[in-house]
Amino acid sequence: NAGVTQTPKFQVLKTGQSMTLQCAQDMNHEYMSWYRQDPGMGLRLIHYSVGAGITDQGEVPNGYNVSRSTTEDFPLRLLSAAPSQTSVYFCASSYVGDQSSYNSPLHFGNGTRLTVT
Amino acid sequence: SQQGEEDPQALSIQEGENATMNCSYKTSINNLQWYRQNSGRGLVHLILIRSNEREKHSGRLRVTLDTSKKSSSLLITASRAADTASYFCATAFTSGTYKYIFGTGTRLKVLA
Repeated sequence: NAGVTQTPKFQVLKTGQSMTLQCAQDMNHEYMSWYRQDPGMGLRLIHYSVGAGITDQGEVPNGYNVSRSTTEDFPLRLLSAAPSQTSVYFCASSYVGDQSSYNSPLHFGNGTRLTVT
Repeated sequence: SQQGEEDPQALSIQEGENATMNCSYKTSINNLQWYRQNSGRGLVHLILIRSNEREKHSGRLRVTLDTSKKSSSLLITASRAADTASYFCATAFTSGTYKYIFGTGTRLKVLA
């Protein structure tokens, strides 16, 4: 059981380039999300999804796109990379349950370290 | 921002001592969770406390929740060097948006 798998582990981009960060989970979780972690800022939510075909914005969505065509995969696209997007990106998933009691813990991948020069 | 705040930002203690870290948040919540992050790794879930609970225990962990003060605390008893990590609180809001919002974290160092 692999859990949440993120690829690549490391990536260096030049300003203006685009790329996709991959996230896959094998736990049949409905909920998937992307966070970025910057020093002193904790984790900030970028986008999330509660099921295939459903996505919504988090706290810091600008410059990022997501789609959810399958339950297992939730890729994060950087459209035109900027130095401000240098960060560590984490994907997390969980069960949803009903909307009034989403009491399931998040399962995290090991992150992608992205540097934009 | 709805982000929670944790204090202290950093904590250094001797092995065997207790470590207490606090989390404050801004809006009504459904539950509050604590996570641990070892350097360079993803976060690992430690414990969840629901909004109608006041205290919860799991092994050497004790979590309290005061919804009137919008705050929670995590106590690690009899700390070990292996507890050295960053600890984050995360809140799930009652707005039904499925947004889990994380605090800024406490860096704990346990000295052997």
